[in-house]
Amino acid sequence: QKEVEQDPGPLSVPEGAIVSLNCTYSNSAFQYFMWYRQYSRKGPELLMYTYSSGNKEDGRFTAQVDKSSKYISLFIRDSQPSDSATYLCAMRRPTGNQFYFGTGTSLTVIP
Amino acid sequence: ETGVTQSPTHLIKTRGQQVTLRCSSQSGHNTVSWYQQALGQGPQFIFQYYREEENGRGNFPPRFSGLQFPNYSSELNVNALELDDSALYLCASSDGPLYSNQPQHFGDGTRLSIL
Repeated sequence: QKEVEQDPGPLSVPEGAIVSLNCTYSNSAFQYFMWYRQYSRKGPELLMYTYSSGNKEDGRFTAQVDKSSKYISLFIRDSQPSDSATYLCAMRRPTGNQFYFGTGTSLTVIP
Repeated sequence: ETGVTQSPTHLIKTRGQQVTLRCSSQSGHNTVSWYQQALGQGPQFIFQYYREEENGRGNFPPRFSGLQFPNYSSELNVNALELDDSALYLCASSDGPLYSNQPQHFGDGTRLSIL
């Protein structure tokens, strides 16, 4: 079993839709959770960085962590064609030097 | 502020050869991490260098090795290349090791193809 599971999609939505992206994990020691966006032929770009359980909002993006269910989500409101990319979740332990990434979800926002 | 730069952008090698990939960290960053991203997969952690010392390693064989220089730039060396080594190799820099909670900034990677 992989430590981080992420549905690869692809996910296709119309412009303006609310997008929900999710990851599950098996290691209860994970406490730091990140979401990255990766455009084709580019490196990952950090979107959100959260610690432990709860919600964090930044503009159109909301990151949610539910440690009891070992489940994290990223919500994108009012999705735009420029949001079309692969979204990667990542997480690490408090004392760890290693990020564990999901496989990424490919998102296309149709104008 | 200059971001993370990697060279070359593309590389083609044959099985058994050796390769060196290079990374210039973002200005002021003393930590470099290397990742392997196979097609359709998330990045897999290879190792991290902090102030010229290896500071953590993922599940990769010893033929994957690295260096960090006094200016904090870094090299990834892979010996005895195998077909499965074909991937995008990403470098990420940060101002401190990951447990210091400093965010990582990624370069755009080197795409390595093994024939």
